[in-house]
Amino acid sequence: GESVGLHLPTLSVQEGDNSIINCAYSNSASDYFIWYKQESGKGPQFIIDIRSNMDKRQGQRVTVLLNKTVKHLSLQIAATQPGDSAVYFCAETGRNRDDKIIFGKGTRLHILP
Amino acid sequence: DSGVTQTPKHLITATGQRVTLRCSPRSGDLSVYWYQQSLDQGLQFLIQYYNGEERAKGNILERFSAQQFPDLHSELNLSSLELGDSALYFCASSVQGLGTGELFFGEGSRLTVL
Repeated sequence: GESVGLHLPTLSVQEGDNSIINCAYSNSASDYFIWYKQESGKGPQFIIDIRSNMDKRQGQRVTVLLNKTVKHLSLQIAATQPGDSAVYFCAETGRNRDDKIIFGKGTRLHILP
Repeated sequence: DSGVTQTPKHLITATGQRVTLRCSPRSGDLSVYWYQQSLDQGLQFLIQYYNGEERAKGNILERFSAQQFPDLHSELNLSSLELGDSALYFCASSVQGLGTGELFFGEGSRLTVL
């Protein structure tokens, strides 16, 4: 069925360390995966995306890894900063025009000083 | 600033009432999406329009309806409101239809039903 879930609802990371946020998806037909960041009081903001024909994609301080075998997605944030404090959502969708974008429940990232 | 404008930002109303939430997409974006976010919950997809036509439907209640106008702005109508309808309602837009491109979210309309 359609479900995107996250392993941990809250993650606490020391400032300067790397953060890894995980996500499991259940729809093997999903073709496109996106990570969003939602800061308090704001709407979600696109971070990075990856298509199913890739297993890794890098952005500025962020890397998304996709393991289609186990239907797992992760977001790695390098040198975590206080401004990274937010809720992070993974989302999935298919390749068809009418496929919905389904969001997971989110992981709250706390940055410890 | 994502370029997506939602009004009102906050709305307090009573059970049984009807409200309309409005969304103006980014300039040039043809697709508009509506999502509901309850406390500590993820984003629940409600409905999507593309260039004035309904493109996809999610878990949208029959009491809710939406439309996209010729100028591409969209409205989400919520009627016979219940306490459980209290939530943040987000609108997002994208250039293309579902399955491609990133979504640009507005800052949301917070609905409180008393």
